[in-house]
Amino acid sequence: GDSVTQMEGPVTLSEEAFLTINCTYTATGYPSLFWYVQYPGEGLQLLLKATKADDKGSNKGFEATYRKETTSFHLEKGSVQVSDSAVYFCALMSTSGTYKYIFGTGTRLKVLA
Amino acid sequence: NAGVMQNPRHLVRRRGQEARLRCSPMKGHSHVYWYRQLPEEGLKFMVYLQKENIIDESGMPKERFSAEFPKEGPSILRIQQVVRGDSAAYFCASSYGTSGAGEQYFGPGTRLTVT
Repeated sequence: GDSVTQMEGPVTLSEEAFLTINCTYTATGYPSLFWYVQYPGEGLQLLLKATKADDKGSNKGFEATYRKETTSFHLEKGSVQVSDSAVYFCALMSTSGTYKYIFGTGTRLKVLA
Repeated sequence: NAGVMQNPRHLVRRRGQEARLRCSPMKGHSHVYWYRQLPEEGLKFMVYLQKENIIDESGMPKERFSAEFPKEGPSILRIQQVVRGDSAAYFCASSYGTSGAGEQYFGPGTRLTVT
């Protein structure tokens, strides 16, 4: 079945460092891909998405490109801020017919001033 | 347009009691999904409903858990005879469109603690 694998955390970076969080997926067909962010004690906020191969999603300085050949959707940001500290989840929309989301286990990011 | 509403935000139940979690989808959305997040884990799909119909309940535990989305009113996730292992955050999401393939919008979650 469909699955999402993302790098384990925690990831600790200094402010203004470059961020990469790896995400790969397994799915039949071409699912839509998402990155969500969760701040402590809160729900999930959509960060960005891509619906087809080679699409690039971007928001608030974060980017991710849908790579069909490597089945990947890595999240990047050129210069992180303390306020980016949160848990980041990679997800796909299942292609099995009911459109449920399959989530990765999440990667906790901590940015130090 | 108000977002997805969930209540209560926090719920404490003793073992053996019932928990009722409510979710009001965004206006115009007729598809509701429930997910569970265990401590330090990702979200796991539980059930997908449309008005008055359960479409996919493949992620629901076979016993004690049930869900509904009536013609009028919010969607309800019901957990009977709760146990400590039910302690988790429960998130509801809704989507628009006729097929359910639209982007899902998540509520703030209900954090259930079983003592």
